[in-house]
Amino acid sequence: QKEVEQNSGPLSVPEGAIASLNCTYSDRGSQSFFWYRQYSGKSPELIMSIYSNGDKEDGRFTAQLNKASQYVSLLIRDSQPSDSATYLCAVRVDTGRRALTFGSGTRLQVQP
Amino acid sequence: ETGVTQTPRHLVMGMTNKKSLKCEQHLGHNAMYWYKQSAKKPLELMFVYSLEERVENNSVPSRFSPECPNSSHLFLHLHTLQPEDSALYLCASSLGSGGLGSGANVLTFGAGSRLTVL
Repeated sequence: QKEVEQNSGPLSVPEGAIASLNCTYSDRGSQSFFWYRQYSGKSPELIMSIYSNGDKEDGRFTAQLNKASQYVSLLIRDSQPSDSATYLCAVRVDTGRRALTFGSGTRLQVQP
Repeated sequence: ETGVTQTPRHLVMGMTNKKSLKCEQHLGHNAMYWYKQSAKKPLELMFVYSLEERVENNSVPSRFSPECPNSSHLFLHLHTLQPEDSALYLCASSLGSGGLGSGANVLTFGAGSRLTVL
């Protein structure tokens, strides 16, 4: 079983719609969760972090964490063509480790 | 510009060559990382240095040799690579060893070095 799983997509949504990106993880002891955005040919950039159950909102982005279900999601409201990118879910799977474990990413396409 | 600079951005090498990738961070971070990104695969952690000491090594072949002379610089020395080593090599840095919610787990990535092994 992969440590961090994401649907590779592509996920296609029309402009103005809500895009919902999902991620599951295998280690119940995971403490920190991140969403990175990676444009084609560019490096990943952090867009959201979440550490406790519930929702965290930042502008058009909302991260949702459910530790009981080992599930973290990212909602993008009012999707724009500029949101088209690959979204990487990252998890700190062990309190003894500094590095993050990444999923393979979900490619999002926002259709104008 | 993220504050993490990688050179060269593109590198083509033969299997018998020896080359090095360089990473420099200007963020005052004290941990640095090498990740490998291949098409349709997750980012793979290769090495982690904290305060210039290697703290994680993910079963990487010995043809990859990291070096961290100080907290701002990180190298990846390459020799006798294979074509399957062709990938994007990403350097990242992070700050401190603080608790939950601190910047300890927030990675800042460089633009990457695209490596092609012929």
